[in-house]
Amino acid sequence: AQSVTQLGSHVSVSEGALVLLRCNYSSSVPPYLFWYVQYPNQGLQLLLKYTSAATLVKGINGFEAEFKKSETSFHLTKPSAHMSDAAEYFCAAGAGRGGYNKLIFGAGTRLAVHP
Amino acid sequence: DTGVSQDPRHKITKRGQNVTFRCDPISEHNRLYWYRQTLGQGPEFLTYFQNEAQLEKSRLLSDRFSAERPKGSFSTLEIQRTEQGDSAMYLCASSAQGHTGELFFGEGSRLTVL
Repeated sequence: AQSVTQLGSHVSVSEGALVLLRCNYSSSVPPYLFWYVQYPNQGLQLLLKYTSAATLVKGINGFEAEFKKSETSFHLTKPSAHMSDAAEYFCAAGAGRGGYNKLIFGAGTRLAVHP
Repeated sequence: DTGVSQDPRHKITKRGQNVTFRCDPISEHNRLYWYRQTLGQGPEFLTYFQNEAQLEKSRLLSDRFSAERPKGSFSTLEIQRTEQGDSAMYLCASSAQGHTGELFFGEGSRLTVL
């Protein structure tokens, strides 16, 4: 069965520092992979997605993620953190009958950015 | 605002009561999803519809849970004989066909069962 593991439930960085949020997936077939972000009191929003095209995927707000099949990883990075990046981030993998019609989410990583 | 809307946003009920949540998806989206999220966890898939057809249900969706999307537009999620373990945030999302995994989420309906 498909599963998604996010290493680190809380990550804290300084403003301007590199952001690295880790995600590993388990799958017997190449998955569709996603990162979603949830700001306080808002619904989840799609940051970026991997669908077996380019392995380096660029998303909104300067985030990107790299699909590494050998490591079954899809880590999210941003070169320079901004205070507005403070939020909870969820990695997800597509799964389901007849295609990838449902998402399996990781437990989430809460990102704090301090001055 | 043309996003996904959910109602009510908060519901407090006593154990054993029935509750119903409503979701209005983005109008041109034919797929609608229900997820449940508890504290410290990511959203867990419950069920999804393509138009009015319920195509998949999770084992999490016990007999006390039922979801409908009668006209392929809004959806309802009913929980009968609520239990304290049902306390969670219930999330609705919608997507357009051909946009796999690109879900647009509502802000959720928080259920507290006393």
